[in-house]
Amino acid sequence: NAGVTQTPKFRVLKTGQSMTLLCAQDMNHEYMYWYRQDPGMGLRLIHYSVGEGTTAKGEVPDGYNVSRLKKQNFLLGLESAAPSQTSVYFCASRSGTGYALEQFFGPGTRLTVL
Amino acid sequence: TQLLEQSPQFLSIQEGENLTVYCNSSSVFSSLQWYRQEPGEGPVLLVTVVTGGEVKKLKRLTFQFGDARKDSSLHITAAQTGDTGLYLCAGPSNSGYALNFGKGTSLLVTP
Repeated sequence: NAGVTQTPKFRVLKTGQSMTLLCAQDMNHEYMYWYRQDPGMGLRLIHYSVGEGTTAKGEVPDGYNVSRLKKQNFLLGLESAAPSQTSVYFCASRSGTGYALEQFFGPGTRLTVL
Repeated sequence: TQLLEQSPQFLSIQEGENLTVYCNSSSVFSSLQWYRQEPGEGPVLLVTVVTGGEVKKLKRLTFQFGDARKDSSLHITAAQTGDTGLYLCAGPSNSGYALNFGKGTSLLVTP
């Protein structure tokens, strides 16, 4: 199993450009998450999904949109990138059953907005 | 949002030393998790603690959940260079669907 994969690994954008980050998981997990990680800020939740066709806002959703058209994929979109969105983005997934909420993370996408 | 405060923020020690890092909150959690993140990678779960007062051991790592389920600690015995990384604690969010993460303790173990 590949687990959680993210595409691309690195990207440089100019202010105002748009892009989509792709997350894919092969563990048949119900829940998927997008986080951003900035120095000294820890992991902050952007959006999450509790199942195919559903999405919900997290702690820092502004400037981002998401879609979960297929159970195994969770897309994060930036419509008009800003320098404040320079960050490392992590996708995660977990099973919908069990109380422990263990999340499995992808390797991250490093995004720079100039 | 249920905040998790981690301390210290940074820790640099030599191989063979012992260390303890802390995760504290004013809120009660049904469970707490510890993740380790190595440079350039995503976090990986180390342990989940669910019972107040619980102690779990993972080789040289000892995890404790406070009696009141508001805090947790991670103790590493005889640290090795391979222990270098960012240690994150996390607890269930109010919604129950997501996790709230602390800001982490960055550990550097030098030879």
